[in-house]
Amino acid sequence: DIQMTQSPSSLSASVGDRVTITCRASQRIGNSLAWYQHKPGQAPRLLVFAASSLQTGVPSRFSGSGSGAEYTLTISSLQPEDFATYYCQQHYTPPVTFGQGTRLEIK
Amino acid sequence: QVQLQESGPGLVKPSETLSLNCTVSGGSISTYYWSWIRQPPGKGLEWIGYISNTGSTNFNPSLTSRVFMSVDTSKNQFSLRLSSVSAADTAVYYCARTWPMVATGYFDLWGQGTLVTVSS
Repeated sequence: DIQMTQSPSSLSASVGDRVTITCRASQRIGNSLAWYQHKPGQAPRLLVFAASSLQTGVPSRFSGSGSGAEYTLTISSLQPEDFATYYCQQHYTPPVTFGQGTRLEIK
Repeated sequence: QVQLQESGPGLVKPSETLSLNCTVSGGSISTYYWSWIRQPPGKGLEWIGYISNTGSTNFNPSLTSRVFMSVDTSKNQFSLRLSSVSAADTAVYYCARTWPMVATGYFDLWGQGTLVTVSS
């Protein structure tokens, strides 16, 4: 299975900050990378698929980039509703696998 | 809009079978693949498998010997059964819509999840 490693595992930031989360795969995954936002007690939400395609309805402050085995999710200006846990997922080779999560907290 | 809702027992005894349903409301189950994903306490997400509206399935090799999935299009519902459970199967179980309809899809809609605890 492809191993997905996210960094950092947790992050403190303030409203208005620019934040970047990194996801590294154990092999190249051909831009087949999705990002999710998860708040406690809620359904996870798809933000980005195919590394850089923004899901319908997701604010443009979210963006995804990367290639090969390294990918990033950037939030250009943090809003109060963005504090959550973020997961990456490779959709390149079955079984699809997820990163361990990055918890984004209010500073 | 389309919503997914998991249902089933929150407590299962060791060695027994875990059974969950996912009801799709606001849309038809007759398109997409439908997946189950779980998250043990303090751990990451694990894809369990998917089922199509026609009943074709694909499971994570780590669980394939214990997993069974079914679909009931008349009820707009799909189901998971996981046999011979142990404490390691304690997790929040999510159902999710899978797109595109391939073994390497991503999940564009999720249920809120249901906690299943394996304990005697």
